[in-house]
Amino acid sequence: EVQLVESGGGLVQPGGSLRLSCAASGFTFTYSWMAWVRQAPGKGLEWVANIKQDGSEKYYVDSVKGRFTISRDNAKNSLYLQMNSLRVEDTAFYYCARERGSEYFLQNWGQGTLVTVSS
Amino acid sequence: QSVLTQPPSVSGAPGQRVTISCTGSSSNIGAGYDVHWYQQLPGTAPKLLMYGNRNRPSGVPDRFSGSKSGTSASLAITGLQAEDEADYYCQSYDSSLSGYVFGIGTKVTVL
Repeated sequence: EVQLVESGGGLVQPGGSLRLSCAASGFTFTYSWMAWVRQAPGKGLEWVANIKQDGSEKYYVDSVKGRFTISRDNAKNSLYLQMNSLRVEDTAFYYCARERGSEYFLQNWGQGTLVTVSS
Repeated sequence: QSVLTQPPSVSGAPGQRVTISCTGSSSNIGAGYDVHWYQQLPGTAPKLLMYGNRNRPSGVPDRFSGSKSGTSASLAITGLQAEDEADYYCQSYDSSLSGYVFGIGTKVTVL
């Protein structure tokens, strides 16, 4: 059974930093593109970033470029999202998701972790 | 403001058929990228409902069907059931943004 378990969310002040983690199991992590998707409370889904199997390619939504960094550790079957210079509008549930390669969809999702940016 | 356009809500009585539209542009759906659909039940994470325009993952009832034409796609639910009450999101890939794009989500209410 595929499992994606996010952790690291919490309350942080504007301008602060947070690092999210996602522990993957039940599939061959090294074969999969991985992504982060967020959802502000009561709002829709927004793709944040994704990363290739070996980490050599990374893509970001414009609103987080230069502030967020996606990374992975294939030896630990783990995905990360380093979030710096956080803004109030970054408040959201952050979901880790497994992509289906070149077909551009998200076949498995974690349960999400809540990031709240507030003073 | 989402790149893909969906109606904010649709409703129907049990047993009826409802459809949700998803309209994109020449850099996403119109460029030939497939449309995928996710179901989000209240208080839970999204779940893949339909992929590649019309393909259902294992376990998804055949009451759900999808189609795509030009710059638009649609999701149909036939024989609507109370358990179908959820938010539904369409998603594609956008070549000008080099990333995934979603619709705003459509809330399906079973009357």
